[in-house]
Amino acid sequence: DGGITQSPKYLFRKEGQNVTLSCEQNLNHDAMYWYRQDPGQGLRLIYYSQIVNDFQKGDIAEGYSVSREKKESFPLTVTSAQKNPTAFYLCASSIGRVDDTQYFGPGTRLTVL
Amino acid sequence: GQQLNQSPQSMFIQEGEDVSMNCTSSSIFNTWLWYKQDPGEGPVLLIALYKAGELTSNGRLTAQFGITRKDSFLNISASIPSDVGIYFCAGRIRNSGGSNYKLTFGKGTLLTVNP
Repeated sequence: DGGITQSPKYLFRKEGQNVTLSCEQNLNHDAMYWYRQDPGQGLRLIYYSQIVNDFQKGDIAEGYSVSREKKESFPLTVTSAQKNPTAFYLCASSIGRVDDTQYFGPGTRLTVL
Repeated sequence: GQQLNQSPQSMFIQEGEDVSMNCTSSSIFNTWLWYKQDPGEGPVLLIALYKAGELTSNGRLTAQFGITRKDSFLNISASIPSDVGIYFCAGRIRNSGGSNYKLTFGKGTLLTVNP
């Protein structure tokens, strides 16, 4: 089946530790995105990548890092510099053309203790 | 950055009733998208709109791209219990380079349907 997978579904980490969230897609999409969702808030863009080996900061990139070494994969690292990392993280992808539509993965809920 | 004002924040209705929610902005958008999110899951695309005035249906759902390009609404007719969830609008502005991959999201409308 084609789609976007995120793993794990739930993740717990101690404060001060870096953690990497996985996002894989087999839709042959060029563009990939990471969003953060907090209760009562809309989705906020962390980073996005329009093509392999290239990525740009979104609206709330501080404390996060990404890589895009393969078209299918766009991992997000939540670093210890992120002041409030507990949130629901959503990965999305799109074909990469103008006006295309973003499709979302199932999300990872990160809790930092 | 651009902001989308989505209303209402929440709705509590009886099964069978019709529902209407909308998003407005001070900016002009060239794409409007409506998503539904179930608890603990990722948003699922419901309807995409690309032209001012466009009216598009998907089953019991109907959405319209406002003539001013600054608003959009979503209607759900004859609601059923599985309509429960959070509905998000999202818009895209075309930047000066002619392409823009970034979406701006509303804060969502929480819909509860009483059987």
